[in-house]
Amino acid sequence: NAGVTQTPKFRVLKTGQSMTLLCAQDMNHEYMYWYRQDPGMGLRLIHYSVGEGTTAKGEVPDGYNVSRLKKQNFLLGLESAAPSQTSVYFCASTPRAGADTQYFGPGTRLTVL
Amino acid sequence: GNSVTQMEGPVTLSEEAFLTINCTYTATGYPSLFWYVQYPGEGLQLLLKATKADDKGSNKGFEATYRKETTSFHLEKGSVQVSDSAVYFCALSPLKTSYGKLTFGQGTILTVHP
Repeated sequence: NAGVTQTPKFRVLKTGQSMTLLCAQDMNHEYMYWYRQDPGMGLRLIHYSVGEGTTAKGEVPDGYNVSRLKKQNFLLGLESAAPSQTSVYFCASTPRAGADTQYFGPGTRLTVL
Repeated sequence: GNSVTQMEGPVTLSEEAFLTINCTYTATGYPSLFWYVQYPGEGLQLLLKATKADDKGSNKGFEATYRKETTSFHLEKGSVQVSDSAVYFCALSPLKTSYGKLTFGQGTILTVHP
């Protein structure tokens, strides 16, 4: 049971390049989330999914797209990276909404030059 | 909207000192409250939680009480260890209508010296 895994762990992009971050969970959780972590700002929700085939916008969705084609995977895409997207990205999952724990991946550190 | 405010950091303590990290929140209704901890180089993990007023969450010697009258959820530990050095995040989930979405505070860096 690996929990929540994220690929890659580190990435450096040039402005305008695209990339996809992969999140995978093996706990059969329904809900998945993408957050970004910036110094002094805590974690902010980018997009989330309440089940396979569904996605919704979070607090800071601009410049990102997501897909949930399979229940265990949640992909975060940057179509045209900008320096403002330099951040640490965390994926999380939970069995259902409410008071359940969210389980976080180890994070992806992205630098956009 | 919902918001969480944590005390400014960083916090530096000597081993065995008493720890308090303040957390206050703004939310409609009765949210669930959480403390998450992030150890260096790792993702966040749940430290403790409380789901209704006057509940006390506890884990690994840490405690926090859900105070509806003061909209607070302060984290305390009686005797910190070097291994407690980490970033601590207070968070809330409004439940039911929120699809489990969490609103986080800005995080408080704790460093414990021997």
